[in-house]
Amino acid sequence: DSGVTQTPKHLITATGQRVTLRCSPRSGDLSVYWYQQSLDQGLQFLIHYYNGEERAKGNILERFSAQQFPDLHSELNLSSLELGDSALYFCASSVGTGGAGNEQFFGPGTRLTVL
Amino acid sequence: AQTVTQSQPEMSVQEAETVTLSCTYDTSESDYYLFWYKQPPSRQMILVIRQEAYKQQNATENRFSVNFQKAAKSFSLKISDSQLGDAAMYFCAHRRSNDYKLSFGAGTTVTVRA
Repeated sequence: DSGVTQTPKHLITATGQRVTLRCSPRSGDLSVYWYQQSLDQGLQFLIHYYNGEERAKGNILERFSAQQFPDLHSELNLSSLELGDSALYFCASSVGTGGAGNEQFFGPGTRLTVL
Repeated sequence: AQTVTQSQPEMSVQEAETVTLSCTYDTSESDYYLFWYKQPPSRQMILVIRQEAYKQQNATENRFSVNFQKAAKSFSLKISDSQLGDAAMYFCAHRRSNDYKLSFGAGTTVTVRA
């Protein structure tokens, strides 16, 4: 158990819908990262938040957005869902933003299926 | 952009034997971090081992060790005395020194034969 929690574990929805994925980082971690794992794209970085502020964006679609709240939990919002959005979405957390010893610990992931 | 390449989609090893997974990466920087993550059937991503580029000594964690060749930009993982619980997909990952995101390879599926 990494200490990072994600809910829900599984999500099945239809095209065009909107969903919210939730992540709680490890106690004391200020950084939250979102990654998408799909069969065709592999593991890709989506977005990074540090202490409530967006720090970096990766290959995140405009239909996707995220935020980190004052209690440091984060939510990833996916809208106008398409079949290709079906993937495993991971949240990871770390103490800081870079440098030595700043390992990222991953949550169990949310499996999203878009029908 | 950092590119991480794992050229072996699948590897098979007999229980108690040794298997080596290959990883190469492309970077123009001298300071960075390399990682191996394990993803068992549960899909949980588990950090196996990490290597700082400025360290010449290869990292070791119990039965897991790496061969870090900085000039060749190579970072292989050796699993010794393989156990059934080692069966998983293994991902090589790179992170720049003062950066945040991990760049992952495509992964290598390891099967352990009893």
